Amino acid sequence: SQTIHQWPATLVQPVGSPLSLECTVEGTSNPNLYWYRQAAGRGLQLLFYSVGIGQISSEVPQNLSASRPQDRQFILSSKKLLLSDSGFYLCAWSGGPYNYGYTFGSGTRLTVV
Amino acid sequence: GNSVTQMEGPVTLSEEAFLTINCTYTATGYPSLFWYVQYPGEGLQLLLKATKADDKGSNKGFEATYRKETTSFHLEKGSVQVSDSAVYFCALSPSGGSYIPTFGRGTSLIVHP
Repeated sequence: SQTIHQWPATLVQPVGSPLSLECTVEGTSNPNLYWYRQAAGRGLQLLFYSVGIGQISSEVPQNLSASRPQDRQFILSSKKLLLSDSGFYLCAWSGGPYNYGYTFGSGTRLTVV
Repeated sequence: GNSVTQMEGPVTLSEEAFLTINCTYTATGYPSLFWYVQYPGEGLQLLLKATKADDKGSNKGFEATYRKETTSFHLEKGSVQVSDSAVYFCALSPSGGSYIPTFGRGTSLIVHP
């Protein structure tokens, strides 16, 4: 069966520090991968999506970047965190055909101090 | 572009009350429709889905029917429990090869004993 792993679960980082969040998927190949951010009490904001290795599409220009070094690995990064980067980050994957739905990881709570 | 509109929350109910959370959408073609549930501090979980008009998705006592004539996918449950307290997201997955889903802003449900 397919599973998605996301870590760390919580992270407290100072302003100006770098960030690396990792997401991996098991049990499937060539998944579509997504990074979302959820601010407190608000909806989901799509940050990046990827349909293949090295293929990254950015939905919102900002202080973050994403990479997909392997088929089932998706990394969210920042060189210098801002206070506004605080939030709940969610990774998700879909199997390709549009009616599969999306499977989400358990999320990373990032607090920038 | 595509959009999903959900009723504003929070929705506050007593245990065993009837639940309706409204969801309407705008999309071209024939999207697939989903309801996701998010419990506090967790990622989103797929609750139910419908892939074509007049389909009814159901799970854990929740139901939603894909109404193309009214572009709606309202979530219903006949008797809610305290454990149903969560945030519910309506979403669509577009047809035509796009990989980007559209989520509503979420509706918080609070069920009191």
